[in-house]
Amino acid sequence: GNSVTQMEGPVTLSEEAFLTINCTYTATGYPSLFWYVQYPGEGLQLLLKATKADDKGSNKGFEATYRKETTSFHLEKGSVQVSDSAVYFCALKTGGGADGLTFGKGTHLIIQP
Amino acid sequence: SAVISQKPSRDICQRGTSLTIQCQVDSQVTMMFWYRQQPGQSLTLIATANQGSEATYESGFVIDKFPISRPNLTFSTLTVSNMSPEDSSIYLCSVELAGETQYFGPGTRLLVL
Repeated sequence: GNSVTQMEGPVTLSEEAFLTINCTYTATGYPSLFWYVQYPGEGLQLLLKATKADDKGSNKGFEATYRKETTSFHLEKGSVQVSDSAVYFCALKTGGGADGLTFGKGTHLIIQP
Repeated sequence: SAVISQKPSRDICQRGTSLTIQCQVDSQVTMMFWYRQQPGQSLTLIATANQGSEATYESGFVIDKFPISRPNLTFSTLTVSNMSPEDSSIYLCSVELAGETQYFGPGTRLLVL
């Protein structure tokens, strides 16, 4: 079956630090990969996605590259801000429209000023 | 994207009772999904709801416990039946739009006493 493994938090960084949140996956077929973010008190929002190998998703200064050879989709940001404090979920989807998403456990990111 | 609303936003219920959660989307969509997010955990897919057919349930979830309706292309309900404290979770609906991207409602926070 499908599974997503991501580093568990909380991850605490200082403002302007470099961020990496690791995500690896196991899937049948060729999945699409996603990062979702859940800010405090808010709903789940799509942050970025990639649908095929070597694609790079990017949004709000965050990037992630679909690495088929290492089955990874690590999230990176060059300089984090306090406003980036949130829970980040890596997820994948295989098959057609009838398939739901498989989520990782989430990484709680805390950025200190 | 899509605008998705859920009712109620939160509720406190007594064990043995049932709660029906409504999900409304502002455009017609084929597939709607229901997820559960238990406290401090990731999201787990409960079922996929396709208009005009029976919902498809994931392993560990059954129709008697989580009956779903999908009367039209913009609306769905999830009922949590005969509740126990273990059902205390956030329940989220989502819809899939073009590009295999799922968008989530704000969630219904349920506490069972």
